[in-house]
Amino acid sequence: AQSVTQLDSHVSVSEGTPVLLRCNYSSSYSPSLFWYVQHPNKGLQLLLKYTSAATLVKGINGFEAEFKKSETSFHLTKPSAHMSDAAEYFCVVWSGAGSYQLTFGKGTKLSVIP
Amino acid sequence: NAGVTQTPKFQVLKTGQSMTLQCAQDMNHEYMSWYRQDPGMGLRLIHYSVGAGITDQGEVPNGYNVSRSTTEDFPLRLLSAAPSQTSVYFCASRTTGEGQPQHFGDGTRLSIL
Repeated sequence: AQSVTQLDSHVSVSEGTPVLLRCNYSSSYSPSLFWYVQHPNKGLQLLLKYTSAATLVKGINGFEAEFKKSETSFHLTKPSAHMSDAAEYFCVVWSGAGSYQLTFGKGTKLSVIP
Repeated sequence: NAGVTQTPKFQVLKTGQSMTLQCAQDMNHEYMSWYRQDPGMGLRLIHYSVGAGITDQGEVPNGYNVSRSTTEDFPLRLLSAAPSQTSVYFCASRTTGEGQPQHFGDGTRLSIL
């Protein structure tokens, strides 16, 4: 079984300040983990993925995430928020082991204040 | 560079009507899936397919049918629309293999009156 919990449904930051979006997961196997971003009225775009290689993963647009097995976390960070980062972000887990299904978190809406 | 294409982008139906949401991908991906997105619920899997001729149910399959006659196409059918099916529907595809990401279409926004 696998599950994802995004700890904040809404995060608000000022432009130029750091972003932290939190994600905890559970999985019976070594998981693959993803972060997706969804801008209004758009589909989901892959930001980054973790697949058992380096635990610090760099993605597009300056985002990165660190896989911490001991804490079962995969938090998304960015050093300096930009107005264009305002969107909804989804943490996703795939446990592999013959499963074809991904499990999505419920999303975190990021607001960026000018 | 089309990727995953969904049609229509918007649709309004009356209760009891039927319709088909179209999804096509040009990446030769084996795995395709349909999700619905509702506020505060994230994305929930409706049906998925691991190849032509093979489909299976996801988390919320009731009221929906799918078929996969070709690698490229994966239509979703609503047989008798209900207001509870008002949602945004996303089609996604990916190749098989560990850690392969899903590629999403832009969605179909469906309202059932």
